[in-house]
Amino acid sequence: AQSVTQLDSHVSVSEGTPVLLRCNYSSSYSPSLFWYVQHPNKGLQLLLKYTSAATLVKGINGFEAEFKKSETSFHLTKPSAHMSDAAEYFCVVSDRSSFQKLVFGTGTRLLVSP
Amino acid sequence: NAGVTQTPKFQVLKTGQSMTLQCAQDMNHNSMYWYRQDPGMGLRLIYYSASEGTTDKGEVPNGYNVSRLNKREFSLRLESAAPSQTSVYFCASSASRQGATEAFFGQGTRLTVV
Repeated sequence: AQSVTQLDSHVSVSEGTPVLLRCNYSSSYSPSLFWYVQHPNKGLQLLLKYTSAATLVKGINGFEAEFKKSETSFHLTKPSAHMSDAAEYFCVVSDRSSFQKLVFGTGTRLLVSP
Repeated sequence: NAGVTQTPKFQVLKTGQSMTLQCAQDMNHNSMYWYRQDPGMGLRLIYYSASEGTTDKGEVPNGYNVSRLNKREFSLRLESAAPSQTSVYFCASSASRQGATEAFFGQGTRLTVV
């Protein structure tokens, strides 16, 4: 069965500094990987997805993630944080063993200070 | 675009009461899901429906039942609510039968069982 580990429960950055949210996955097959964002009291919005095309994936709002098979990682980055980026971020994995089921990490809360 | 619509948005139940959470999508998606979100645990799959007429258990199905009423609608029923079912519930849908595609989420139902 596939699984995903988000290495930090909270990450704090200052506005204008880089963001790094770490995610490691486990999968017996070629995985599909996603990052979702959840703003307070809101639903989940897809930031970006990897489905075996380019290993560097660009998403919305300046975020990107790199699929590294050798490290089983899919870290989310952004060059310069904005106050509006403060939210909870979920790394998600799926593979053909799960037939459409998305397996979520426990989430990383990003705090952005002025 | 409505996307995925859940009702109600908030609900308070007494222990032992029953209720049904409604979900409808207007994207002609085959697959639909119910997740629950609890602090520090990410989203956990309760039940899913890969296509109209089929339903399957997810990670945490105990205490719940589902009905895929038609292609658009997927309801979640709590027959006898317990305090452990206090959570935020999300309905989601996705398009593809094969391979993983992203899921689209509703705004959530915040349920409190007292």
